[in-house]
Amino acid sequence: QSALTQPASVSGSPGQSITISCTGTSSDVGGYNHVSWYQQHPGKAPKLIIYDVTNRPSGVSNRFSGSKSGNTASLTISGLQAEDEADYYCSSYRSSRTLVFGGGTELTVL
Amino acid sequence: QLQLQESGPGLVKPSETLSLTCTVSGGSISSSGYYWGWIRQSPGKGLEWIGSIYHSGTTHYNPSLKSRATTSVDTSKNQISLKLRSVTAADTAVYYCAAGVVLEAFDIWGQGTRVTVSS
Repeated sequence: QSALTQPASVSGSPGQSITISCTGTSSDVGGYNHVSWYQQHPGKAPKLIIYDVTNRPSGVSNRFSGSKSGNTASLTISGLQAEDEADYYCSSYRSSRTLVFGGGTELTVL
Repeated sequence: QLQLQESGPGLVKPSETLSLTCTVSGGSISSSGYYWGWIRQSPGKGLEWIGSIYHSGTTHYNPSLKSRATTSVDTSKNQISLKLRSVTAADTAVYYCAAGVVLEAFDIWGQGTRVTVSS
């Protein structure tokens, strides 16, 4: 099954805000409010930072926020910090009770 | 707090079956109400969902792997297992076990286990 589309890389300076997009179809991102975002540091397991488009798990900084418009979901990180440098993946529920991930975005903090 | 630990052979020969186990601690699989999933990450690549299972035994699979993958629950051992048949070099990856209260979000992850397919 085809993956969701994310930019390969984004960058920003400390204190700035960045947005990562995740584009799918009406069968996944656009059809359900079940988009999640994960943060993965090198050599580590992914960490859930957003679920159901906009919700943050307990303990996740409020600098992370999610949104969706049509077939595209977005992750915004405000007040960028050095520790935010990582890979970010979106995922979405897809029809017939399956899941699909995005290709991942490498965030560089300049 | 639930903790997950994957285990299995680090090396599998092409055409053979890959078998992995995820041991759950800090709670019971049968009473937790969690969905249990397997996700893999090929070297330098992104995440790929393999499949998920509910404690009741209901399973869901990635259509691209459905014909080769089977996941099951052993409540007596508090373990989840994954079998992937007829492996090729393309199945070389870090395999993660993960859990979530809903099918579509995993909030607990194991550390992952690296599997290489090679003769």
